[in-house]
Amino acid sequence: GAGVSQTPSNKVTEKGKYVELRCDPISGHTALYWYRQSLGQGPEFLIYFQGTGAADDSGLPNDRFFAVRPEGSVSTLKIQRTERGDSAVYLCASSSILLRTTLMGRTSGTANEQFFGPGTRLTVL
Amino acid sequence: AQTVTQSQPEMSVQEAETVTLSCTYDTSESDYYLFWYKQPPSRQMILVIRQEAYKQQNATENRFSVNFQKAAKSFSLKISDSQLGDAAMYFCAYRSAMGRRALTFGSGTRLQVQP
Repeated sequence: GAGVSQTPSNKVTEKGKYVELRCDPISGHTALYWYRQSLGQGPEFLIYFQGTGAADDSGLPNDRFFAVRPEGSVSTLKIQRTERGDSAVYLCASSSILLRTTLMGRTSGTANEQFFGPGTRLTVL
Repeated sequence: AQTVTQSQPEMSVQEAETVTLSCTYDTSESDYYLFWYKQPPSRQMILVIRQEAYKQQNATENRFSVNFQKAAKSFSLKISDSQLGDAAMYFCAYRSAMGRRALTFGSGTRLQVQP
């Protein structure tokens, strides 16, 4: 597609229920990120995928949160036993990865733009 | 850990005037990237401008420019000739060049543009 898409746009659930949030990244983007944005705050990192594997899941708040990306494209964020504090906008972003050589001769990823989806607003009653 | 601070929860500017949004950050790294993102009510984050820490020249994108002060760890955004469509939340963000790929965001500044 033309951009990152996320479904559903809004999700209302009851405390204790299980939810799945879906992200379709831009075609060809190998990197995929999940962020959580609480009301009045900036987005906070949850997890980062490079291909099919979770390269960094240090932002997941607890073991009720889990994410997968089995074929290296679509990703699903799964939240078990939802709590009212999980209410937030969940943002997904994707980017391509290019390497650059720094002035010191080291290789690192470039600041390739992370393209964001419109988010899923999760409300836990 | 890196932190990003935006000390202005809200700013207001008259149409066609200039406004500056402030951002400071804390890091022990020497190589990193800084970004300004715009988030309209549609929720979609849009990249406005980026700065690479090893570049001394301040980035410019049309009406948007930054004042990057590496020693002071300051990264302000200047919007010239403000337009009604500039009204949105603006987030400053940091990303390591060598380590963590995730963005670290500030708490945002809500910009209102008065006609």
